[in-house]
Amino acid sequence: KNQVEQSPQSLIILEGKNCTLQCNYTVSPFSNLRWYKQDTGRGPVSLTIMTFSENTKSNGRYTATLDADTKQSSLHITASQLSDSASYICVVSAIKAAGNKLTFGGGTRVLVKP
Amino acid sequence: EAGVAQSPRYKIIEKRQSVAFWCNPISGHATLYWYQQILGQGPKLLIQFQNNGVVDDSQLPKDRFSAERLKGVDSTLKIQPAKLEDSAVYLCASSPRPSPSSYNEQFFGPGTRLTVL
Repeated sequence: KNQVEQSPQSLIILEGKNCTLQCNYTVSPFSNLRWYKQDTGRGPVSLTIMTFSENTKSNGRYTATLDADTKQSSLHITASQLSDSASYICVVSAIKAAGNKLTFGGGTRVLVKP
Repeated sequence: EAGVAQSPRYKIIEKRQSVAFWCNPISGHATLYWYQQILGQGPKLLIQFQNNGVVDDSQLPKDRFSAERLKGVDSTLKIQPAKLEDSAVYLCASSPRPSPSSYNEQFFGPGTRLTVL
């Protein structure tokens, strides 16, 4: 069964500090892995997308890594800002005949405090 | 470029009532998705349309949920009758027609928050 597990479920960090979110998956056949940011009351917005051959990708202060051998990914937030308070969702895409099928993790809720 | 539009943004109903949600995808996007997101969880796919045809509705509770995309553009999702456990955010997403060079990225609307009392 395709699954995506994220940890921690939630975390609180002080403004300006760094943090790292984890994602483990058991999805096959693997197509790509995405990290989404979901602000409260809004739909998810894509931060990064990585294929099998990519092991790191950055988007501003967000850096995602992918280890396809161990089926693990991380999202690192550098110098956190109050606007980083959101849920971060790891999504893994599997190759299907009818098009890629996404499996969503439960998300990590990040609260940045001043 | 306008994003995915959804309405209403919020809806409160009593159990056993009916409710409908509307979604207008990004112009030109062939694929449309409806997701259910229960508080504290990731989204769960309910149904996927490719133009006006259903690609995947394996997780749609068909005894009470229905969806249509008659002209291959906007879509409606209906719940009839609603249960307490249907309280959730219903997200609509769209993506362009897949190509070998695309990641088939999905663009999400703001969602409709449904509360069933």
